[in-house]
Amino acid sequence: EAGVTQFPSHSVIEKGQTVTLRCDPISGHDNLYWYRRVMGKEIKFLLHFVKESKQDESGMPNNRFLAERTGGTYSTLKVQPAELEDSGVYFCASSQDRDKTYEQYFGPGTRLTVT
Amino acid sequence: AQSVTQLGSHVSVSEGALVLLRCNYSSSVPPYLFWYVQYPNQGLQLLLKYTTGATLVKGINGFEAEFKKSETSFHLTKPSAHMSDAAEYFCAVSAFPTFGNEKLTFGTGTRLTIIP
Repeated sequence: EAGVTQFPSHSVIEKGQTVTLRCDPISGHDNLYWYRRVMGKEIKFLLHFVKESKQDESGMPNNRFLAERTGGTYSTLKVQPAELEDSGVYFCASSQDRDKTYEQYFGPGTRLTVT
Repeated sequence: AQSVTQLGSHVSVSEGALVLLRCNYSSSVPPYLFWYVQYPNQGLQLLLKYTTGATLVKGINGFEAEFKKSETSFHLTKPSAHMSDAAEYFCAVSAFPTFGNEKLTFGTGTRLTIIP
């Protein structure tokens, strides 16, 4: 079974540009989460999808961040326009409600550098 | 609100020695607790979790942790460190039992170095 995949693994962009991160969850997982780790700090929750619906987006920093999950499969996180403080590692995770293991499976992350 | 404190951002132990990584949590509701490990260039992998039942939980690679409600702690231990244990470890808490939301609140992480 394939794990959670994220693309790209690294992205370097200039301040003011746009970047789109993609996450493919484990097949059949209804829950999809985005987290972010700014260098040296804790991993912070950004938002949670259940299928295609946003269940909780309380962690989104501001309206420069837009997350979508079309058809309840893969998800994208767009940052427009990017600012220096957006640099960090963006993790995606997925989980399956039905098995009640309460385990989130994480992808390898996308390292975003804004210069 | 929930929070997690991991004491020591860097811990070094000799190969074969006891590994002890500390985690204290704050939660106004009964917590679910997790330890994740991140090896270089990989995603976070679940080591172990406490949800309900036995307070001493065993995980993969010989790790275990004990939920101590009175001390609000969930420290991670391994009796004998191996070189392959070198990684970054994250403690996390979830309020799932009360709010049905699995979102995790993480500590700042502890980087474990094993000395040959």
